[in-house]
Amino acid sequence: DAKTTQPTSMDCAEGRAANLPCNHSTISGNEYVYWYRQIHSQGPQYIIHGLKNNETNEMASLIITEDRKSSTLILPHATLRDTAVYYCIVRPYGNNRLAFGKGNQVVVIP
Amino acid sequence: GAGVSQSPRYKVAKRGQDVALRCDPISGHVSLFWYQQALGQGPEFLTYFQNEAQLDKSGLPSDRFFAERPEGSVSTLKIQRTQQEDSAVYLCASSAAGTGQETQYFGPGTRLLVL
Repeated sequence: DAKTTQPTSMDCAEGRAANLPCNHSTISGNEYVYWYRQIHSQGPQYIIHGLKNNETNEMASLIITEDRKSSTLILPHATLRDTAVYYCIVRPYGNNRLAFGKGNQVVVIP
Repeated sequence: GAGVSQSPRYKVAKRGQDVALRCDPISGHVSLFWYQQALGQGPEFLTYFQNEAQLDKSGLPSDRFFAERPEGSVSTLKIQRTQQEDSAVYLCASSAAGTGQETQYFGPGTRLLVL
């Protein structure tokens, strides 16, 4: 599976958009980009996924570059409850397992 | 409806004891997964079931780890002769079907501490 690179940690201001970057330069054509987050002492929570088009749902937007070598997860209006570890995962189509990595510890600051 | 539930939420075991961790997936979900999360690390895949069939157990770290899902719903992860390095959070997830792209819904995990 392709490897992803994320910042170890970042701070975001409450009420502002939070832009979380992810590099996946070795991604192949049949691999999707998934984002999960894990709030302290809880299990991971699915956020969004995409292949090559930008995606939006009620939680976030996912912007994937044209060459698919990087992506950005956007939380449009960060709240304190968005403080969590965010995982960017590249997942081949048909592959059931998720390869999480260490993730990005995001802290939303009042 | 109810999400994925796991029990117990916390387990303390003495080194050498056997433990059994239970997972109740979302009703009707075909696929069930177990992950292990060490402190400060992301979850790591252990094993995967589709209904009662264990289709992938390549992530199980040793033959002391055994998982079953005999009726295709509830699953149990058993660890025999626990060691201190088994201390971790054990996460269970389920998904609706077995096509490989469905969302996995996670339970809260069981935190195992081996003394």
